[in-house]
Amino acid sequence: DVKVTQSSRYLVKRTGEKVFLECVQDMDHENMFWYRQDPGLGLRLIYFSYDVKMKEKGDIPEGYSVSREKKERFSLILESASTNQTSMYLCASSFGGARPRYFGPGTRLTVL
Amino acid sequence: AQTVTQSQPEMSVQEAETVTLSCTYDTSESDYYLFWYKQPPSRQMILVIRQEAYKQQNATENRFSVNFQKAAKSFSLKISDSQLGDAAMYFCASSGTGNQFYFGTGTSLTVIP
Repeated sequence: DVKVTQSSRYLVKRTGEKVFLECVQDMDHENMFWYRQDPGLGLRLIYFSYDVKMKEKGDIPEGYSVSREKKERFSLILESASTNQTSMYLCASSFGGARPRYFGPGTRLTVL
Repeated sequence: AQTVTQSQPEMSVQEAETVTLSCTYDTSESDYYLFWYKQPPSRQMILVIRQEAYKQQNATENRFSVNFQKAAKSFSLKISDSQLGDAAMYFCASSGTGNQFYFGTGTSLTVIP
C-alpha cells in the first residue's frame, strides 16, 4: 500500500519559531512536493524536489526552505514562522514529471 | 503560464443523482494533461481521473467520467449515482511540459441523503 506520511496532523507554533514539517514516502519516488492549501486559493506549490539534494522553487517559496538529504524524506522549514503562514500544508510524491500522484494527510499549522 | 478556473465554489447533489463539476483552463501548450483530485474531509487527497489532451476519448473511472472539450478548454467531471462517500472538495488541475502544474481553487461537493 502506497504511503506518504507527514510528521504531524496539527501543529501550533509561536511567531518567530523555527518550524520543521517532515514528509516521508515509501514508494522510492524521485519527485516530492510541498503545497500550501488555503480556502479560495486552491493548492499552491512552495517547493519541488526531483532528486536528493535537488530542489526548485515553486510559486510561493518566500519564507520557506526545504531539505532533501534522503530520497524518501522531504522537509519543509519555516525559518521564522509568521501568522500569515497559518495554513494547511500538503506533501506529495510522484515517480516522474511534476505531477503530484500521492498525497500525505496534511499538516494544519497555526502560528500564534 | 497555465490557469485553471473552477467557477463553482460549492455544489450539492441528492444521493443517487448525477452531478457535474465544471473546470476551464487556459494553456498555450499543445501537449498537456488534465486531472481531477478528490479531498474528502480530514482525509488524504487522491487522484480521481486524468485525461491526456491528445486523446479524443473522454476518460472514465467507474462512476466518474469527464467531458473534455478541447476547443472550449473545458474539462468537467461527472459523478453518476452519487454516494455519501463522494462528499469532498474536488480540485481540477492541469500540467504541461516541464514542471508546470496548476490547481484550480476547488469545488466543495455536498451529497444530500
